[in-house]
Amino acid sequence: EDKVVQSPLSLVVHEGDTVTLNCSYEVTNFRSLLWYKQEKKAPTFLFMLTSSGIEKKSGRLSSILDKKELFSILNITATQTGDSAVYLCALNTGTASKLTFGTGTRLQVTL
Amino acid sequence: DVKVTQSSRYLVKRTGEKVFLECVQDMDHENMFWYRQDPGLGLRLIYFSYDVKMKEKGDIPEGYSVSREKKERFSLILESASTNQTSMYLCASSPPGQGLWGYTFGSGTRLTVV
Repeated sequence: EDKVVQSPLSLVVHEGDTVTLNCSYEVTNFRSLLWYKQEKKAPTFLFMLTSSGIEKKSGRLSSILDKKELFSILNITATQTGDSAVYLCALNTGTASKLTFGTGTRLQVTL
Repeated sequence: DVKVTQSSRYLVKRTGEKVFLECVQDMDHENMFWYRQDPGLGLRLIYFSYDVKMKEKGDIPEGYSVSREKKERFSLILESASTNQTSMYLCASSPPGQGLWGYTFGSGTRLTVV
């Protein structure tokens, strides 16, 4: 059975801090790993990773994949209160566009 | 602006009722999905569909069925609602092939079964 585990489950940081969110996985047929941000409503797409060692970057957010050790990290630098959200990691294992999600990490950024 | 629209934001139903959750997308996507989201369990796939009148079971299909009579509409049906089906339900759609970044979610329906 495919498995996606995110850690920590939740954390609280001060504005300006840097955070690292973790996603480890066990899947039989890896195609890609995706990160989503979920505020109050629908999850929104952040990154899709398919190759090891290649960093994807968007502003203060970045992510990298390690296919040998079976994990990915999502970094957020200089956090802002608008970064407060649940961050979801998902794996595509090749069955159409079906995704297997982790439990999510709830991030709260305080002033 | 492309959209996935779920008909209800909040819904309260009684145990044993038949419940319909509707999802409509305007992107001409072939693939549509129903997930439920629960604290500590993340998003879990209930059913998905590759095309009109086609459906596939996801990881937790028990107690649910689906209907896809038109490409843009994917309905989730709770035949006899139970309290353990209280959850947030998210619909999503995507184009076929490499369109994973096009995996667009609706805003969710928070269903409470009393």
